[in-house]
Amino acid sequence: AQSVTQPDIHITVSEGASLELRCNYSYGATPYLFWYVQSPGQGLQLLLKYFSGDTLVQGIKGFEAEFKRSQSSFNLRKPSVHWSDAAEYFCAVGAGGGTASKLTFGTGTRLQVTL
Amino acid sequence: AAGVIQSPRHLIKEKRETATLKCYPIPRHDTVYWYQQGPGQDPQFLISFYEKMQSDKGSIPDRFSAQQFSDYHSELNMSSLELGDSALYFCASSLTGTPYNEQFFGPGTRLTVL
Repeated sequence: AQSVTQPDIHITVSEGASLELRCNYSYGATPYLFWYVQSPGQGLQLLLKYFSGDTLVQGIKGFEAEFKRSQSSFNLRKPSVHWSDAAEYFCAVGAGGGTASKLTFGTGTRLQVTL
Repeated sequence: AAGVIQSPRHLIKEKRETATLKCYPIPRHDTVYWYQQGPGQDPQFLISFYEKMQSDKGSIPDRFSAQQFSDYHSELNMSSLELGDSALYFCASSLTGTPYNEQFFGPGTRLTVL
């Protein structure tokens, strides 16, 4: 069964500081990996995704993530955080492939940005 | 670009009542997924449909049922509502065979059970 672990429930960073949100996954085959962001009471917005190719993927809003197979990790990074980045961040894994496949989400990391 | 549409956006029901949530996928998308997100929780997969047939089932209570219609829209029917059913319900759609089978999420329906 697939699973995702986000070890950090809550992270606080200062505006302009760098950010790294951790994500570890468990999946038997090559996973499809995603990062979503959710503002309070809002829907899920896809930040970036990975299946194959370059292990460093670029997403929207200046975010990037690095896939490390040896560590089963897909950490999200941003060099300089903006106050508007305060939100809940979810890492998710899916089977992908040719048929419908559910996403399994981590428990999320709440990011607080101090000015 | 067209997005996933969910209606209603907000719904308030009493215990033991029924509720119907609707989802209109992106045009041409053939797969619909339903997720439930409780307060402070991560989204949990409920059920999915591919070409109007149930394709996968998660932690969906027996009180809930869902279907996908010929126009590909989907409805989630919830009966004998309980306080614990209060949550944000997301629908997502995808087109089979596209890279990543990327799921596009709707804005969600917030269900409050009193």
